[in-house]
Amino acid sequence: EAGVAQSPRYKIIEKRQSVAFWCNPISGHATLYWYQQILGQGPKLLIQFQNNGVVDDSQLPKDRFSAERLKGVDSTLKIQPAKLEDSAVYLCASSSPSGVVTGELFFGEGSRLTVL
Amino acid sequence: AQRVTQPEKLLSVFKGAPVELKCNYSYSGSPELFWYVQYSRQRLQLLLRHISRESIKGFTADLNKGETSFHLKKPFAQEEDSAMYYCALRSGANSKLTFGKGITLSVRP
Repeated sequence: EAGVAQSPRYKIIEKRQSVAFWCNPISGHATLYWYQQILGQGPKLLIQFQNNGVVDDSQLPKDRFSAERLKGVDSTLKIQPAKLEDSAVYLCASSSPSGVVTGELFFGEGSRLTVL
Repeated sequence: AQRVTQPEKLLSVFKGAPVELKCNYSYSGSPELFWYVQYSRQRLQLLLRHISRESIKGFTADLNKGETSFHLKKPFAQEEDSAMYYCALRSGANSKLTFGKGITLSVRP
């Protein structure tokens, strides 16, 4: 089966600019996650969707980050305006209903953001 | 608050040597513990979870609630085990996974 697709793979922007990342989960996976992974750290959950509803966005910096999953399939994560500390890999993951129970997430390759 | 600590950043062993990747956690309830792995140029993927109590690719991990640990072990390391390993915790189904910082395992020939 096709895996989680993300784009772009790499993005370099200057601080205060905006950026958007796109994710297409595995077909049939109702749960979608966005993680931020700063160099040397483990992934940190930013937001979790169940279909097009938000389950957990407690760690999303809402003053600059936003995410949507309008039709319950693809998702977009936006940062505006970007700060230097936003430099990280942004990982998208998805889970099937059984995967949510077992804790098995399927990750994309990630989008690497560099903020100059 | 839940926290996962992986005290070492790098473990380098020779092929055939035993491996133990340490993971300690902090959580007041009954957690679920996982090990995720990322091989070179591959995606992060689930290796094993404590509930299933199974051996995957020769790796096992036992949840020790008294020591709040979930160390990953393999008796004889193989070169293909070289990867980044992350320990993760969650409080229950559909709750968020909290990851440790990860450890790089390097298995030399």
